[in-house]
Amino acid sequence: GQQLNQSPQSMFIQEGEDVSMNCTSSSIFNTWLWYKQDPGEGPVLLIALYKAGELTSNGRLTAQFGITRKDSFLNISASIPSDVGIYFCAGPAGTYKYIFGTGTRLKVLA
Amino acid sequence: NAGVTQTPKFQVLKTGQSMTLQCAQDMNHNSMYWYRQDPGMGLRLIYYSASEGTTDKGEVPDGYNVSRLKKQNFLLGLESAAPSQTSVYFCASSSPQFPWEQFFGPGTRLTVL
Repeated sequence: GQQLNQSPQSMFIQEGEDVSMNCTSSSIFNTWLWYKQDPGEGPVLLIALYKAGELTSNGRLTAQFGITRKDSFLNISASIPSDVGIYFCAGPAGTYKYIFGTGTRLKVLA
Repeated sequence: NAGVTQTPKFQVLKTGQSMTLQCAQDMNHNSMYWYRQDPGMGLRLIYYSASEGTTDKGEVPDGYNVSRLKKQNFLLGLESAAPSQTSVYFCASSSPQFPWEQFFGPGTRLTVL
């Protein structure tokens, strides 16, 4: 079946640093989604991407839809302590069905 | 607006016991979902409901049943709990206009002994 692999699995960074993470799929997607899960909460949608090559920003977050349509990237600039959490990529696996990646756990050191 | 609410927040069961996890949304969304989250596995879809009265299996439906009798409620049942069902369960909902934007509840942490 379809799989989404996220890299890195976890990362510690210093406050103020930029962060990059990526997600790769075994099949082509026509939509890429990035969610963030705060500790003890449910995921919240950050960014949605709809076509290859698209670059979309949400504040300090920027996501890109890969040209091959099998990958996507998320960058966080000037990280702050509240950026801590798990970041998930997701994509459609059929009508109403979405699959989620394994997540990148981000920890920010003040 | 409360958004998506889930009850209970925590639950401990013994193997073989049954229970129902409840989910409610007040956004008038057509679609609702149940996921489970296990360490290192991300979120996996158990069941979903495209609209009131309809349900379909997701990736990991075995051992679960669901009910969507009212548009605002989606129930997840465990008929005979097993330790492998220890997990955090999330309910989500979405509108037909933006099906990819799923709104998640706060989760139910279930432990099966």
